[in-house]
Amino acid sequence: DGGITQSPKYLFRKEGQNVTLSCEQNLNHDAMYWYRQDPGQGLRLIYYSQIVNDFQKGDIAEGYSVSREKKESFPLTVTSAQKNPTAFYLCASSRRSGGGGKGEQFFGPGTRLTVL
Amino acid sequence: GESVGLHLPTLSVQEGDNSIINCAYSNSASDYFIWYKQESGKGPQFIIDIRSNMDKRQGQRVTVLLNKTVKHLSLQIAATQPGDSAVYFCAEDGGSNYKLTFGKGTLLTVNP
Repeated sequence: DGGITQSPKYLFRKEGQNVTLSCEQNLNHDAMYWYRQDPGQGLRLIYYSQIVNDFQKGDIAEGYSVSREKKESFPLTVTSAQKNPTAFYLCASSRRSGGGGKGEQFFGPGTRLTVL
Repeated sequence: GESVGLHLPTLSVQEGDNSIINCAYSNSASDYFIWYKQESGKGPQFIIDIRSNMDKRQGQRVTVLLNKTVKHLSLQIAATQPGDSAVYFCAEDGGSNYKLTFGKGTLLTVNP
């Protein structure tokens, strides 16, 4: 089955600790994304990557870091600098668009991070 | 419409009725739009998309209408079922090949 997996489903962190959220896709998509979702809110873009070894900040990148060493993997680290990290984190991927091509983003099941 | 703060717009319908969920988008440069469905505790699922060179697109039980003049998008669900209960998001590409901007969502509740 092709798809996007995120792990863990639930994650608890003490204040001051860094934590890394996993995202893997086997859809052969070039582009990958991380979003944050707060209760009753839409999705806000944290970081995105159009191709391996390249990534760009989204709208709320402060306190987060990413890497894209492999096409299928795009881990997100929530650092201690993130002041309010408790949220639902969603990873997505899409085909690389170009020449007017468009494609939807496919989402993983999400990781719910709670800071204790 | 869009929500303010923690309160999502809500729509409550009876099973079997048709549902219409509305979305106002902001960027006149957007030429690709998507509707997603998100069930509680899960990731969003693609429902239907539409490009700006179209006014209407139909899928299975769903229809998306695009009015570029007033920057308005709607999702129509025919014969709504309890399994349709979820939060529905619209998203626009803002002219970008990669980034999507999401609305805050509408909570649809289907009463049996």
